[in-house]
Amino acid sequence: DAGVTQSPTHLIKTRGQQVTLRCSPKSGHDTVSWYQQALGQGPQFIFQYYEEEERQRGNFPDRFSGHQFPNYSSELNVNALLLGDSALYLCASSLVFSGDSYEQYFGPGTRLTVT
Amino acid sequence: QKEVEQDPGPLSVPEGAIVSLNCTYSNSAFQYFMWYRQYSRKGPELLMYTYSSGNKEDGRFTAQVDKSSKYISLFIRDSQPSDSATYLCAMGQYYGQNFVFGPGTRLSVLP
Repeated sequence: DAGVTQSPTHLIKTRGQQVTLRCSPKSGHDTVSWYQQALGQGPQFIFQYYEEEERQRGNFPDRFSGHQFPNYSSELNVNALLLGDSALYLCASSLVFSGDSYEQYFGPGTRLTVT
Repeated sequence: QKEVEQDPGPLSVPEGAIVSLNCTYSNSAFQYFMWYRQYSRKGPELLMYTYSSGNKEDGRFTAQVDKSSKYISLFIRDSQPSDSATYLCAMGQYYGQNFVFGPGTRLSVLP
């Protein structure tokens, strides 16, 4: 049973550029959430996708956008990169309807460095 | 006041010790509580999940939730050097909501 996978593992970009990160959820999961984790901090929620729509959004600017595909995989896009966007970007998957057990599983993350 | 607070550590203990990790929170509506373990430069790994108040045990790990005090704990018995990691608490208000994370506590278990 494959867990959550993310690509690429590492990425280096220049200020002002755009980046796309990819995520495949755990088998059987239908919901994907994206988090940003700065060094030494806990993950910060960016947004969540279910049924190919953005369902919830954290306090992140419109430069952060996403997409979910029919196979439940997802992309995170960040435009006009800033130095402060350097972080570990985590994808987490879950199943919307699973009784009382709402568990979220994380992928290994994509480390983005903006220079 | 941050929504979820956690002592960042670092916390150093000898091998075999009982470790107590704690989080406090301000939102009394939180009902879902999780503990994650994160090794350096890796994604968080779900350790324990608890709904509402009470205790839950899984092997060497015990999670406790005290909603009246807005306080959750994770106990690790017979700690091992392989337990050295950052421990993150996370919580949510309603089913399917995104989680709010604490900043994490860095734990070192010394052989």
